[in-house]
Order: sequence, then C-alpha cells, then structure tokens
Amino acid sequence: AQKITQTQPGMFVQEKEAVTLDCTYDTSDQSYGLFWYKQPSSGEMIFLIYQGSYDEQNATEGRYSLNFQKARKSANLVISASQLGDSAMYFCAMREGGTGANNLFFGTGTRLTVIP
Amino acid sequence: EAQVTQNPRYLITVTGKKLTVTCSQNMNHEYMSWYRQDPGLGLRQIYYSMNVEVTDKGDVPEGYKVSRKEKRNFPLILESPSPNQTSLYFCASSLWDRTDTQYFGPGTRLTVL
Repeated sequence: AQKITQTQPGMFVQEKEAVTLDCTYDTSDQSYGLFWYKQPSSGEMIFLIYQGSYDEQNATEGRYSLNFQKARKSANLVISASQLGDSAMYFCAMREGGTGANNLFFGTGTRLTVIP
Repeated sequence: EAQVTQNPRYLITVTGKKLTVTCSQNMNHEYMSWYRQDPGLGLRQIYYSMNVEVTDKGDVPEGYKVSRKEKRNFPLILESPSPNQTSLYFCASSLWDRTDTQYFGPGTRLTVL
C-alpha cells in the first residue's frame, strides 16, 4: 500500500488566490512527521513545512499552512495569496518514528501552475 | 553555509561504464540517503545510511552500491549502468529522528545511453 497519496497530478490557481494541495498518508505508527517540499523547474528540493503527529496546532510558515486532520490521515498544504513563483511541483512526505530507520516516503507530487 | 553538495550535476555516459556520484554534507548529520526521481513516481529511496559503516537498502537498490567511510560523505556507485538508470538523483541528509527535516543536494541528472 502507498504510504503517501497525492491524488492531484496538476492544479491551477489564479494569482493572489489560495490553493489547497491534498495529501493522505497511511501508517500504523503513533509517532511520525509529515513534510512538504517544493521543486521548482530548476530541480532542487526545497523544504516548506513540517507537522508532527503529536502537534495539536496546524503548522504555519508564512504563506504556507498545513491542514492536519489526524483521524482522516490527511495533511493538506494550503498556500495563501498565490504568487507566480509558486508554480512548481509539490511533494508530500512522511517520516515514521519508532525503532526503524526513520526513512522518508514521498508521494508522486502535484504540479501547481499559478495563472496571472 | 550548511549544505549538501553533489557532483557531478549532469552526466551522460554509456551502458556498462562504471561511475560514482559524490555526496557530501557539512552539518554533521548521522543520516544520509540517496533517492531517484522519475516522472509520475515521485522520489524513491535507493540506499540509506544511519551512520558511518552502517548502510541499508531502500526501495530500489538494484544496480547501485554505496559506502559510508566518513560521516560527511556518502557516494553512490553504479558499477555497470544501464539505460533504465537514467534519472534525476538526489542525496539528502538529516539528524536521525522522525521530526528532523531532510536537506537535499541540488540533484544529479544522469543519462545512460
């Protein structure tokens, strides 16, 4: 079974509007971390935001916020006031805790295009 | 500046010619990992290392080797590259905990003819 599912291969948003990128995850661990990364056309992977499984508040970083719904196992990324520079691929990822290697598992990504 | 470096950034080679992609980090991280990225598949882990001399297979290890003789370096070795190893490769490092962010190198675009 996929550990991370991103069901939106591509999304469009008007400049200055907000957009939500979906992410659901699958784990039996109680302790885990959820991450979002941005990959612009230049190719590098840029860390955006982190949410821990025990965090009660949704994480926020500037225009990025993570809508964490633990019971539904979802960790959607919300980008407010979209900018042209937000056009990129976005990856959701999970790092499980416990006694394992704490490897990071990625979804297949969502390509966001911001329209002027 | 804290960073993960990879070399080369771009490489075109031919089937069967051994190559090494280097990865180095200056953050004293215990954990290092190699991923490959292919269209529609996201990033898939090749190998990882939890510390010096400790390495293990990820999801797609076939055709790759790694070593971790020093904490800062984690080279990826393709002994006999094949065209299906044409991909974008990323090295990453972090501390070893579920809360720790993995920091990525700039990527190496490999083409095997």
